[in-house]
Amino acid sequence: QSVLTQPPSASGTPGQRVTMSCSGSSPNIGSNYVYWYQQLPGMAPKLLIYRTNQRPSGVPDRFSGSKSGTSASLAISGLRSEDDTDYHCAAWDDSLSGWVFGGGTKLTVL
Amino acid sequence: EVQLVESGGGLVQAGGSLRLSCTASGFTFSNYAMSWVRQAPGKGLEWVSGISGSGGSTYNTDSLKGRFTISRDNSRNTLHLQMNSLRVEDTAVYFCAKQDSTVTTWFDYWGQGTLVTVSS
Repeated sequence: QSVLTQPPSASGTPGQRVTMSCSGSSPNIGSNYVYWYQQLPGMAPKLLIYRTNQRPSGVPDRFSGSKSGTSASLAISGLRSEDDTDYHCAAWDDSLSGWVFGGGTKLTVL
Repeated sequence: EVQLVESGGGLVQAGGSLRLSCTASGFTFSNYAMSWVRQAPGKGLEWVSGISGSGGSTYNTDSLKGRFTISRDNSRNTLHLQMNSLRVEDTAVYFCAKQDSTVTTWFDYWGQGTLVTVSS
């Protein structure tokens, strides 16, 4: 049972905009930045969004992050076939003094 | 170029021990905190342990109840995870991850992972 809650699946068609959520609580998302990782099958996770809404160099501006209260969202616009993969959210938890993750969302590009 | 290469995974019986290693290159290893993150088959990511750049501070997930110990050898650019009293539920791919600075900052680079399988 993950501390952060993500929907197990999401879907969209090419060119569409999709959003996926990450729900937490006060000690984690409510108090700290949120991070998003993209993970291709059989590969290591790759940093997609840091400090809630910042993109590392090389990440297209089609990806964006936001937060409101104890929930965060990842939005992908102009959906492409290569976006069809898993996405994980993460945050530091002040009560646990450790990192917490969501269970991951599998995005399907129809 | 930052590179992280894990080793030491394998098949072990429940109750046994394993020691994972992660060899780092492409950055000044002692300047950065490091962590171990695991992923059970078909499941999400789970943070296991973290250690400061100097090795003086360590952090562990409570659920491990002291069975795992993280350490580092800055002279050899190597991170370790000593895993004792292994359980079937510890079966997972174990990733080492570099952090942006301290343990409370994000994971900016990941290794490819090493598979640990615990049999009953």
